[in-house]
Amino acid sequence: TQLLEQSPQFLSIQEGENLTVYCNSSSVFSSLQWYRQEPGEGPVLLVTVVTGGEVKKLKRLTFQFGDARKDSSLHITAAQPGDTGLYLCAGGRTNAGKSTFGDGTTLTVKP
Amino acid sequence: DVKVTQSSRYLVKRTGEKVFLECVQDMDHENMFWYRQDPGLGLRLIYFSYDVKMKEKGDIPEGYSVSREKKERFSLILESASTNQTSMYLCASRSGQGGGYTFGSGTRLTVV
Repeated sequence: TQLLEQSPQFLSIQEGENLTVYCNSSSVFSSLQWYRQEPGEGPVLLVTVVTGGEVKKLKRLTFQFGDARKDSSLHITAAQPGDTGLYLCAGGRTNAGKSTFGDGTTLTVKP
Repeated sequence: DVKVTQSSRYLVKRTGEKVFLECVQDMDHENMFWYRQDPGLGLRLIYFSYDVKMKEKGDIPEGYSVSREKKERFSLILESASTNQTSMYLCASRSGQGGGYTFGSGTRLTVV
């Protein structure tokens, strides 16, 4: 069974601070996705990374896929209250088909 | 704007009722999925489908069945609802070429 462990489980910070959340596994993934979920809504895809060592930026969010394609990180610069939500990572062994989801990091950004 | 639409946002059903949760996607995706999400347990896969009339069990299929008669529609059926099936149900679709999932907004089901 492929497992994805996310850390930290909960994170509460002040507006303007930087943060990093992690997604780790002992398995190799062909691709990895990050999602953000707001309360009462479905997760929304933020990014897909497929190449070991790949770095992608989405405004203040920076995503990195580990060289061995077993882990990933999400870094947020100058967090804003609108960044509040549950951040989920998901990985799959093939580019299609089902993915394994981590349990998520709940981020709260206080004004 | 591409979409996965779930028929109900909130649903209250009685124990023993047969419950149908409907999901429709407009992206011509081959793959469709049903998950449930519970606090502390994360997203758990119930069933998925790679093609019309095809279905595969996920991690927690007991008490559920699915139907995919058309490519765009994937239905989740609770044969006899029980209180432990109270949960947030999420439908998702994905292209057969890869990429991420597109999720619906979810159905919050309460079984009383």
